[in-house]
Amino acid sequence: NAGVTQTPKFQVLKTGQSMTLQCAQDMNHEYMSWYRQDPGMGLRLIHYSVGAGITDQGEVPNGYNVSRSTTEDFPLRLLSAAPSQTSVYFCATRRLDVYEQYFGPGTRLTVT
Amino acid sequence: AQSVTQPDIHITVSEGASLELRCNYSYGATPYLFWYVQSPGQGLQLLLKYFSGDTLVQGIKGFEAEFKRSQSSFNLRKPSVHWSDAAEYFCAVGSTFGNEKLTFGTGTRLTIIP
Repeated sequence: NAGVTQTPKFQVLKTGQSMTLQCAQDMNHEYMSWYRQDPGMGLRLIHYSVGAGITDQGEVPNGYNVSRSTTEDFPLRLLSAAPSQTSVYFCATRRLDVYEQYFGPGTRLTVT
Repeated sequence: AQSVTQPDIHITVSEGASLELRCNYSYGATPYLFWYVQSPGQGLQLLLKYFSGDTLVQGIKGFEAEFKRSQSSFNLRKPSVHWSDAAEYFCAVGSTFGNEKLTFGTGTRLTIIP
């Protein structure tokens, strides 16, 4: 039981490049979400999903896309990276009926 | 809108001393409240949570927190800290009305001195 996994652990992009951050879970959790963590700002919700085929925006969705085709996976796409997207990204999951989130180890992204 | 304030950015305590980390929340009804801990380079781990009932909740690693509705607070305490408690601590509030969003405070970094 791996829990919540994220790949890659580290990534450096140039401005304008695109990439996908992967998040996978093996706990059969309906709810999955993406947060970004920046110094002095805590964690801010980017996008979330309450099940396959259902996604919604969080607090800071601009510049990011998501989709949820399976229960297990919830990828986060940056279509045209900007330096303002330099951050640490966390995926979190939980059951819909239990309000307790499990976090992945994070992806540290640098955009130059 | 819900919000969380952690007024202390950085706290330093001596090993063996007691600890209290402050958390104030803003929410229109009884919220769900959480404390998470993040060790350097790691993800977040849930320490404890409050949903309802007894206002003093016990968590892992010897931590406890008390929900005080009159003060809109959910402070985290530990009677005697260990060097391994050095980390960043986040308070979070969640809605009780089906809104799926969890709002985090900006965190308190805890340093332990020998």
